[in-house]
Amino acid sequence: GQQLNQSPQSMFIQEGEDVSMNCTSSSIFNTWLWYKQDPGEGPVLLIALYKAGELTSNGRLTAQFGITRKDSFLNISASIPSDVGIYFCAGLSDSNYQLIWGAGTKLIIKP
Amino acid sequence: ETGVTQTPRHLVMGMTNKKSLKCEQHLGHNAMYWYKQSAKKPLELMFVYSLEERVENNSVPSRFSPECPNSSHLFLHLHTLQPEDSALYLCASSGGISARELFFGEGSRLTVL
Repeated sequence: GQQLNQSPQSMFIQEGEDVSMNCTSSSIFNTWLWYKQDPGEGPVLLIALYKAGELTSNGRLTAQFGITRKDSFLNISASIPSDVGIYFCAGLSDSNYQLIWGAGTKLIIKP
Repeated sequence: ETGVTQTPRHLVMGMTNKKSLKCEQHLGHNAMYWYKQSAKKPLELMFVYSLEERVENNSVPSRFSPECPNSSHLFLHLHTLQPEDSALYLCASSGGISARELFFGEGSRLTVL
């Protein structure tokens, strides 16, 4: 079945650093979504992307829908302690109406 | 009230027990989902309901039995589970099965002894 490769699996960063993570697919997607899951909570939608090349921001977060339609990127600028959590990408392809999920990127901020 | 509410938040059960997880959504959505989340793995879609009818069952063992009595409520009935079924079970809703954005509950952490 379809799979998403999300990397890195985890990141240890200092407060104030910028963060980058990405997802790649073997097939073309028409939608990319980025979610964040805080400890003990369910995932919350951060950014939705619907068009190849689209660049969308939500505060310090910026996500891009790759031109090839097979990848997406999420950047966090000037990280703060509340950014810790697990970030998931999810995508929709033309051949499947259900979301395909990445395995998540766990963000840990070093004190 | 939060959009999607799940109870209980934590559940410990033996392999011979019968228990149920409950989900309620206050968003006016007509599609509801059960997902299983295990550490370091992608979310696994278990069941999808649209307008109270099950439209997807992703080869889930029969020891998991969903029920959707109306568009606001979703249950997951559990019986004779195995230790490997221990996981976080997430409920989600959306405006329809073709809607792209899911809204999740906080999850029910299940431990099977």
